[in-house]
Amino acid sequence: AIQMTQSPSSLSAAVGDRVTITCRASQGIRSDLGWYQQKPGKAPKLLIYAASNLERGVPSRFSGSGSGTDFTLTISSLQPEDFATYYCLQDYNYPWTFGQGTKVEIK
Amino acid sequence: QVTLRESGPALVKPTQTLTLTCSFSGFSLSTSGMCVSWVRQPPGKALEWLALINWHDDKYYTTSLKTRLTISQVASKSQVVLTLTNMDPVDTATYYCTRTREMSHGGYGMDVWGQGTTVTVSS
Repeated sequence: AIQMTQSPSSLSAAVGDRVTITCRASQGIRSDLGWYQQKPGKAPKLLIYAASNLERGVPSRFSGSGSGTDFTLTISSLQPEDFATYYCLQDYNYPWTFGQGTKVEIK
Repeated sequence: QVTLRESGPALVKPTQTLTLTCSFSGFSLSTSGMCVSWVRQPPGKALEWLALINWHDDKYYTTSLKTRLTISQVASKSQVVLTLTNMDPVDTATYYCTRTREMSHGGYGMDVWGQGTTVTVSS
Protein backbone atom coordinates (compact mmCIF):
# COMPACT_ATOMS: atom_id res chain seq x y z
CA ALA A 1 0.00 0.00 0.00
CA ILE A 2 1.08 3.57 -0.64
CA GLN A 3 2.35 5.32 2.47
CA MET A 4 1.40 8.95 3.02
CA THR A 5 3.65 11.00 5.29
CA GLN A 6 2.52 14.38 6.54
CA SER A 7 4.68 17.05 8.06
CA PRO A 8 4.70 18.57 10.50
CA SER A 9 2.61 16.40 12.83
CA SER A 10 1.57 19.56 14.65
CA LEU A 11 2.18 23.28 14.47
CA SER A 12 1.31 26.41 16.39
CA ALA A 13 0.23 29.49 14.49
CA ALA A 14 -1.48 32.79 15.10
CA VAL A 15 -4.58 34.17 13.46
CA GLY A 16 -3.55 35.75 10.20
CA ASP A 17 -0.50 33.52 9.70
CA ARG A 18 0.20 31.68 6.47
CA VAL A 19 0.28 27.95 7.16
CA THR A 20 1.71 25.20 4.97
CA ILE A 21 1.27 21.47 5.48
CA THR A 22 3.10 18.90 3.39
CA CYS A 23 2.12 15.39 2.36
CA ARG A 24 4.54 13.00 0.67
CA ALA A 25 3.57 9.76 -1.05
CA SER A 26 5.80 6.70 -1.08
CA GLN A 27 5.29 6.47 -4.84
CA GLY A 28 3.88 8.68 -7.54
CA ILE A 29 0.14 9.26 -7.32
CA ARG A 30 -0.35 11.79 -10.16
CA SER A 31 -2.72 14.39 -8.66
CA ASP A 32 -4.98 11.87 -6.93
CA LEU A 33 -4.92 13.46 -3.50
CA GLY A 34 -7.47 15.07 -1.24
CA TRP A 35 -7.25 17.17 1.89
CA TYR A 36 -9.68 16.87 4.81
CA GLN A 37 -10.23 19.01 7.88
CA GLN A 38 -11.44 17.53 11.15
CA LYS A 39 -12.49 19.42 14.25
CA PRO A 40 -12.71 17.70 17.63
CA GLY A 41 -15.73 15.45 17.95
CA LYS A 42 -16.80 16.08 14.36
CA ALA A 43 -16.68 14.17 11.10
CA PRO A 44 -13.99 15.19 8.62
CA LYS A 45 -14.78 17.66 5.88
CA LEU A 46 -13.50 17.62 2.31
CA LEU A 47 -11.47 20.74 1.47
CA ILE A 48 -9.50 19.94 -1.66
CA TYR A 49 -9.70 17.16 -4.24
CA ALA A 50 -7.44 16.20 -7.13
CA ALA A 51 -4.59 18.00 -5.35
CA SER A 52 -5.63 21.55 -6.18
CA ASN A 53 -9.40 21.77 -6.65
CA LEU A 54 -11.37 23.57 -3.99
CA GLU A 55 -14.55 21.81 -2.88
CA ARG A 56 -17.68 23.94 -3.20
CA GLY A 57 -18.25 26.16 -0.21
CA VAL A 58 -14.67 25.98 1.06
CA PRO A 59 -13.09 29.41 1.62
CA SER A 60 -10.56 30.54 -0.95
CA ARG A 61 -7.87 30.98 1.71
CA PHE A 62 -7.40 27.22 1.37
CA SER A 63 -5.35 26.02 -1.57
CA GLY A 64 -3.60 22.85 -2.62
CA SER A 65 -0.73 22.12 -4.96
CA GLY A 66 1.57 19.35 -6.06
CA SER A 67 1.66 16.21 -8.15
CA GLY A 68 3.59 12.99 -8.21
CA THR A 69 4.86 12.47 -4.68
CA ASP A 70 4.86 15.91 -3.02
CA PHE A 71 1.79 17.91 -2.10
CA THR A 72 1.02 21.02 -0.10
CA LEU A 73 -2.02 22.44 1.65
CA THR A 74 -1.79 26.17 2.27
CA ILE A 75 -3.98 28.37 4.42
CA SER A 76 -3.18 31.90 3.32
CA SER A 77 -4.47 33.71 6.41
CA LEU A 78 -5.37 31.48 9.34
CA GLN A 79 -8.76 32.14 10.87
CA PRO A 80 -10.02 31.08 14.31
CA GLU A 81 -12.27 28.43 12.76
CA ASP A 82 -9.29 26.81 10.98
CA PHE A 83 -7.78 25.35 14.14
CA ALA A 84 -8.25 21.67 13.48
CA THR A 85 -6.47 18.54 12.30
CA TYR A 86 -5.79 18.14 8.60
CA TYR A 87 -5.38 14.86 6.73
CA CYS A 88 -4.29 14.00 3.21
CA LEU A 89 -5.74 10.97 1.43
CA GLN A 90 -4.46 9.33 -1.73
CA ASP A 91 -7.10 7.92 -4.07
CA TYR A 92 -4.67 6.90 -6.78
CA ASN A 93 -5.02 3.19 -6.13
CA TYR A 94 -6.56 0.79 -3.65
CA PRO A 95 -6.21 0.58 -0.76
CA TRP A 96 -6.63 4.29 -0.25
CA THR A 97 -4.47 5.64 2.55
CA PHE A 98 -4.52 8.67 4.83
CA GLY A 99 -1.60 10.59 6.18
CA GLN A 100 -1.18 10.60 9.94
CA GLY A 101 -2.60 14.09 10.33
CA THR A 102 -1.35 17.58 11.15
CA LYS A 103 -2.83 19.36 14.16
CA VAL A 104 -2.98 23.14 13.81
CA GLU A 105 -3.05 24.79 17.22
CA ILE A 106 -3.37 28.34 18.42
CA LYS A 107 -0.13 30.14 19.21
CA GLN B 1 -29.97 17.00 0.44
CA VAL B 2 -27.51 14.16 0.87
CA THR B 3 -27.40 12.49 4.28
CA LEU B 4 -25.79 9.37 5.69
CA ARG B 5 -26.33 7.77 9.07
CA GLU B 6 -24.41 4.95 10.66
CA SER B 7 -26.08 2.47 12.98
CA GLY B 8 -24.94 -0.56 14.91
CA PRO B 9 -23.97 -1.77 18.36
CA ALA B 10 -22.05 0.51 20.66
CA LEU B 11 -20.44 -2.39 22.48
CA VAL B 12 -19.21 -5.73 21.17
CA LYS B 13 -17.27 -8.50 22.85
CA PRO B 14 -13.90 -9.75 21.62
CA THR B 15 -14.19 -12.39 18.87
CA GLN B 16 -17.69 -11.22 17.94
CA THR B 17 -18.66 -9.91 14.51
CA LEU B 18 -19.49 -6.23 14.12
CA THR B 19 -22.23 -5.30 11.68
CA LEU B 20 -22.66 -1.62 10.83
CA THR B 21 -25.30 -0.18 8.54
CA CYS B 22 -25.01 3.05 6.60
CA SER B 23 -28.43 4.39 5.62
CA PHE B 24 -28.28 7.13 3.05
CA SER B 25 -30.56 9.42 1.10
CA GLY B 26 -30.24 12.07 -1.58
CA PHE B 27 -28.22 10.00 -4.00
CA SER B 28 -28.24 6.59 -5.64
CA LEU B 29 -25.43 4.10 -5.50
CA SER B 30 -26.53 3.02 -8.98
CA THR B 31 -25.43 6.34 -10.45
CA SER B 32 -22.16 6.20 -12.35
CA GLY B 33 -19.32 7.57 -10.26
CA MET B 34 -21.02 7.09 -6.91
CA CYS B 35 -19.49 5.09 -4.08
CA VAL B 36 -19.80 4.63 -0.33
CA SER B 37 -16.70 4.33 1.83
CA TRP B 38 -16.12 3.41 5.44
CA VAL B 39 -13.47 5.16 7.53
CA ARG B 40 -12.64 4.62 11.18
CA GLN B 41 -10.78 6.55 13.86
CA PRO B 42 -9.54 5.02 17.12
CA PRO B 43 -9.68 7.41 20.07
CA GLY B 44 -7.02 10.10 19.72
CA LYS B 45 -5.61 8.56 16.55
CA ALA B 46 -5.62 9.17 12.83
CA LEU B 47 -8.26 8.35 10.25
CA GLU B 48 -8.07 4.93 8.62
CA TRP B 49 -9.75 4.13 5.30
CA LEU B 50 -11.42 0.73 5.52
CA ALA B 51 -13.48 -0.13 2.45
CA LEU B 52 -15.35 1.16 -0.57
CA ILE B 53 -18.20 -0.10 -2.73
CA ASN B 54 -18.94 1.58 -6.05
CA TRP B 55 -21.81 1.95 -8.49
CA HIS B 56 -20.58 -1.12 -10.34
CA ASP B 57 -20.67 -3.16 -7.11
CA ASP B 58 -16.88 -3.41 -7.08
CA LYS B 59 -15.49 -3.70 -3.57
CA TYR B 60 -12.12 -2.64 -2.18
CA TYR B 61 -10.58 -3.14 1.25
CA THR B 62 -7.66 -1.98 3.32
CA THR B 63 -4.91 -4.57 3.21
CA SER B 64 -4.51 -5.15 6.94
CA LEU B 65 -8.20 -6.00 7.45
CA LYS B 66 -9.02 -7.58 4.12
CA THR B 67 -9.65 -11.05 5.53
CA ARG B 68 -12.03 -9.70 8.19
CA LEU B 69 -14.00 -7.05 6.30
CA THR B 70 -17.01 -7.33 4.04
CA ILE B 71 -18.85 -4.44 2.42
CA SER B 72 -22.16 -4.90 0.65
CA GLN B 73 -25.16 -2.92 -0.46
CA VAL B 74 -28.85 -3.38 0.08
CA ALA B 75 -29.95 -1.56 -3.04
CA SER B 76 -33.64 -1.49 -2.41
CA LYS B 77 -33.09 0.10 0.98
CA SER B 78 -30.32 2.62 0.13
CA GLN B 79 -28.06 0.99 2.65
CA VAL B 80 -24.48 -0.21 2.76
CA VAL B 81 -23.45 -2.79 5.34
CA LEU B 82 -19.96 -3.28 6.74
CA THR B 83 -19.06 -6.39 8.71
CA LEU B 84 -15.85 -6.86 10.65
CA THR B 85 -15.25 -10.31 12.07
CA ASN B 86 -13.24 -11.42 15.09
CA MET B 87 -13.39 -8.06 16.85
CA ASP B 88 -10.53 -7.09 19.14
CA PRO B 89 -10.10 -4.19 21.57
CA VAL B 90 -7.83 -2.49 19.02
CA ASP B 91 -10.89 -2.19 16.76
CA THR B 92 -12.43 0.26 19.25
CA ALA B 93 -13.08 3.35 17.17
CA THR B 94 -15.58 5.75 15.69
CA TYR B 95 -16.74 4.37 12.35
CA TYR B 96 -17.87 6.76 9.61
CA CYS B 97 -19.58 6.11 6.31
CA THR B 98 -19.14 8.65 3.55
CA ARG B 99 -20.52 9.37 0.14
CA THR B 100 -17.56 9.11 -2.17
CA ARG B 101 -17.82 10.20 -5.77
CA GLU B 102 -15.86 10.90 -8.86
CA MET B 103 -15.23 14.63 -8.88
CA SER B 104 -15.64 17.02 -11.79
CA HIS B 105 -11.93 17.75 -12.13
CA GLY B 106 -10.79 14.20 -11.59
CA GLY B 107 -10.13 11.91 -8.71
CA TYR B 108 -12.53 11.11 -5.94
CA GLY B 109 -13.83 12.99 -2.93
CA MET B 110 -15.52 11.91 0.27
CA ASP B 111 -17.85 14.87 0.13
CA VAL B 112 -20.56 13.98 2.63
CA TRP B 113 -19.99 12.15 5.91
CA GLY B 114 -22.22 10.57 8.48
CA GLN B 115 -21.91 11.68 12.09
CA GLY B 116 -20.07 8.47 12.97
CA THR B 117 -20.87 5.69 15.40
CA THR B 118 -18.64 4.77 18.30
CA VAL B 119 -17.89 1.09 18.82
CA THR B 120 -16.15 -0.23 21.91
CA VAL B 121 -14.74 -3.73 22.05
CA SER B 122 -14.65 -5.06 25.57
CA SER B 123 -15.60 -8.17 27.47
